[in-house]
Amino acid sequence: GESVGLHLPTLSVQEGDNSIINCAYSNSASDYFIWYKQESGKGPQFIIDIRSNMDKRQGQRVTVLLNKTVKHLSLQIAATQPGDSAVYFCAENVGGYGQNFVFGPGTRLSVLP
Amino acid sequence: DTEVTQTPKHLVMGMTNKKSLKCEQHMGHRAMYWYKQKAKKPPELMFVYSYEKLSINESVPSRFSPECPNSSLLNLHLHALQPEDSALYLCASSLADRNTGELFFGEGSRLTVL
Repeated sequence: GESVGLHLPTLSVQEGDNSIINCAYSNSASDYFIWYKQESGKGPQFIIDIRSNMDKRQGQRVTVLLNKTVKHLSLQIAATQPGDSAVYFCAENVGGYGQNFVFGPGTRLSVLP
Repeated sequence: DTEVTQTPKHLVMGMTNKKSLKCEQHMGHRAMYWYKQKAKKPPELMFVYSYEKLSINESVPSRFSPECPNSSLLNLHLHALQPEDSALYLCASSLADRNTGELFFGEGSRLTVL
């Protein structure tokens, strides 16, 4: 299968700063994308999603940007808090029948006090 | 109820054992999934059931046998596993049609094969 995601394993930010986590995808047919947060010992938790007919979507403290020209996704977290420390995965629905999500390699976000 | 419940949370088994992982959801979702996750890696899709029928099998070895008895339950039967099969096994559910929303994950079953 096609791989998703840049190799950016760790991001450290100061508490209160903004965080930007990036993800590249390679399947031009993918039309739905999700960001998940996974805390240690837990399953992935939905953060925000975006469809390919949109460039930007905002949630509470989070924004996802989609650049279809360069096949790039980013997750912006405003005023990063200690509780945001986790591994973040982008996931793309790669096409075909139904829901078939492929996850990127993930980025570990560490929030420094 | 927006939970996906997985049992057991932890399982240790020998290579000759037969065991099963169980998953349950009551959100009315008609798609259910098994993912395998190794340490410091992303979840990898194993199987997808849609409307109780197996729709995707990502070339998973036959020592893993999925079963979907009804729309709320998903099992993963394990037999003659290898130590490299030790991982976190995640169950998820969703609406079945394409791009209709996110996957809801359980907390996972951590499997150790001795």
